[in-house]
Amino acid sequence: DTAVSQTPKYLVTQMGNDKSIKCEQNLGHDTMYWYKQDSKKFLKIMFSYNNKELIINETVPNRFSPKSPDKAHLNLHINSLELGDSAVYFCASSQRGTTETQYFGPGTRLLVL
Amino acid sequence: QQPVQSPQAVILREGEDAVINCSSSKALYSVHWYRQKHGEAPVFLMILLKGGEQKGHEKISASFNEKKQQSSLYLTASQLSYSGTYFCGTEFRSNDYKLSFGAGTTVTVRA
Repeated sequence: DTAVSQTPKYLVTQMGNDKSIKCEQNLGHDTMYWYKQDSKKFLKIMFSYNNKELIINETVPNRFSPKSPDKAHLNLHINSLELGDSAVYFCASSQRGTTETQYFGPGTRLLVL
Repeated sequence: QQPVQSPQAVILREGEDAVINCSSSKALYSVHWYRQKHGEAPVFLMILLKGGEQKGHEKISASFNEKKQQSSLYLTASQLSYSGTYFCGTEFRSNDYKLSFGAGTTVTVRA
């Protein structure tokens, strides 16, 4: 059973398009995250949610809108995609907060042309 | 604030040891270590909490020096499976809901 799953695994799209990435965890965790990993492998937090509530928004452009319909799901919608959005996006979850193990999803490789 | 990792990369022969350092300009509550293999997701190795707690994972161990605001990861008698990029993640207070990751240290273990 996959603990944290993401769809799609790959996303290739044109500049200006809108796209969504879905994330689901079956671990019963309260906290979920979105990270962006760029081509230099730098892993940067974008958003943290706890019990469906946004806790951290790490100065991400408002073209990025996360949504958590319930504790087990955290989706990411991106409007008007730009070349600089090309990266790997990881979803992760932890029991409660960051002083706990984070379990990462397999990642979504986004390429904007 | 992003922690600073060193070295950026290290190449080892099987059986050799290595140390990866992670330092912060701010006081830390916890340090987390993750390993990421090429094309895969980061995988948790260990958490070190304020108070000098040391943890281990196989022959990988780590220490946390609060005064120096740094942590070190020790790869002992390295195996081929240790290859990957190691990231430290830092937290400034308990349950901050935000880990700041270092730039990573790429470890290559050769036979």
